Amino acid sequence: GESVGLHLPTLSVQEGDNSIINCAYSNSASDYFIWYKQESGKGPQFIIDIRSNMDKRQGQRVTVLLNKTVKHLSLQIAATQPGDSAVYFCAETSGGGADGLTFGKGTHLIIQP
Amino acid sequence: DARVTQTPRHKVTEMGQEVTMRCQPILGHNTVFWYRQTMMQGLELLAYFRNRAPLDDSGMPKDRFSAEMPDATLATLKIQPSEPRDSAVYFCASGLGHWNTEAFFGQGTRLTVV
Repeated sequence: GESVGLHLPTLSVQEGDNSIINCAYSNSASDYFIWYKQESGKGPQFIIDIRSNMDKRQGQRVTVLLNKTVKHLSLQIAATQPGDSAVYFCAETSGGGADGLTFGKGTHLIIQP
Repeated sequence: DARVTQTPRHKVTEMGQEVTMRCQPILGHNTVFWYRQTMMQGLELLAYFRNRAPLDDSGMPKDRFSAEMPDATLATLKIQPSEPRDSAVYFCASGLGHWNTEAFFGQGTRLTVV
C-alpha cells in the first residue's frame, strides 16, 4: 500500500552544524505534510507544516522543502543544538489537514558536542 | 497551558484482560485521533472522531478494539481481550481538523500485555 518512508534511520551532526532530514512519500494525493519531533518518553510535537501548493516554508531555525515531482520532503534544521536530539517523523495526509496522518518510520537525529 | 491528557501513563496487564485508555482532548478541539506506536510499525492511525462522531476506524482491529467519545471532554480506547501483540504506546491527539491546525499529541499510554 502507499506509505511514507525515510531514507536514513540515524543522522549524527556536530552541534552548530546544519542538518537535513529526508522523507519520501508515495501517495500522490497527499496535500498536507507535517514534520514532528519526538523526544524520549513524550508524544510527537509539531515542528512545521507545508501544503502541497507550496515548495518551501520557513520557521524558526527550520525549513521544510517539498518536491512534488519526486515526492520528496525534507526538514532542514539550522545551527543544531543539543535540544534538537530526537526522532523526527514526516507525516502526510490527503484530507486537507482534516484526516488522520500517515507517518514515516522516523529518523533519529543525534547532536554531537 | 492547554494539553492533551492521557491516563494511565503506564499499564501492565495480563493477556485476556480488558484495558481502557482515556484521553482528555484540548478544550475546543473537535477532532480526536488515536495512534499506536511500536518499534516495528512506527506510528499508526487507529481511529479518529470529529464532533464526537467516528469518521474512520479502519486502522483498528474490530474484533477486540473499540473507541468511543462519551462526551466532548473524554475519548476512550478499549481492548477486550488484550493480547501480547497489543503491547505498544497509544497516543491520543486532538485538533481543529483543518489547514494549519496541527494535531497536538498527549504523552501516551505505554501498554504492556504479558
